[in-house]
Amino acid sequence: EPEVTQTPSHQVTQMGQEVILRCVPISNHLYFYWYRQILGQKVEFLVSFYNNEISEKSEIFDDQFSVERPDGSNFTLKIRSTKLEDSAMYFCASREETGSNQPQHFGDGTRLSIL
Amino acid sequence: GESVGLHLPTLSVQEGDNSIINCAYSNSASDYFIWYKQESGKGPQFIIDIRSNMDKRQGQRVTVLLNKTVKHLSLQIAATQPGDSAVYFCAENAGSARQLTFGSGTQLTVLP
Repeated sequence: EPEVTQTPSHQVTQMGQEVILRCVPISNHLYFYWYRQILGQKVEFLVSFYNNEISEKSEIFDDQFSVERPDGSNFTLKIRSTKLEDSAMYFCASREETGSNQPQHFGDGTRLSIL
Repeated sequence: GESVGLHLPTLSVQEGDNSIINCAYSNSASDYFIWYKQESGKGPQFIIDIRSNMDKRQGQRVTVLLNKTVKHLSLQIAATQPGDSAVYFCAENAGSARQLTFGSGTQLTVLP
């Protein structure tokens, strides 16, 4: 069964440094998403991406965040200058375009630890 | 603001019994709902979905019920197994990009 893959599984970074989290969505999917989950809390939407541009973003997704689809397979989330409160699990998800009511499929996440 | 939430944070059931996990939502405009299972160290795993024009949908050992009158969603797991132990989230499809709004999650523990 095709799956969303994310790398790295764990990233440890000093506060103020840039990080790039990587995702390979399911190959025939056209909508891509990033979510985060702070330890013990619910999963929160960050940003959605379609047709090579951001389609929606939440209040969390401020100027420090950016997303990119540099080639036909990868989808990345960059945090320009990390803060302690950026420590969380970051999940990538994708879904097919066909029909608006299609489930999103998630990767196993990247655990980001900011020191 | 409108949100999706869960009634119980934890649920313990005996192996072989049926489990029922509940969810309340407040956005009456929501038209699509999904149940996800999250095991430790893993991402949310799709279990079952339901559109708002339905009130019941069945999968393998799982059934989702939707009551739009009271804005309530439930997940029923038949013959619960140890492998069903996980956190279960309901999620609501919202927004123009169909981004998900998740509930807080219910920890299901299956007792031997």
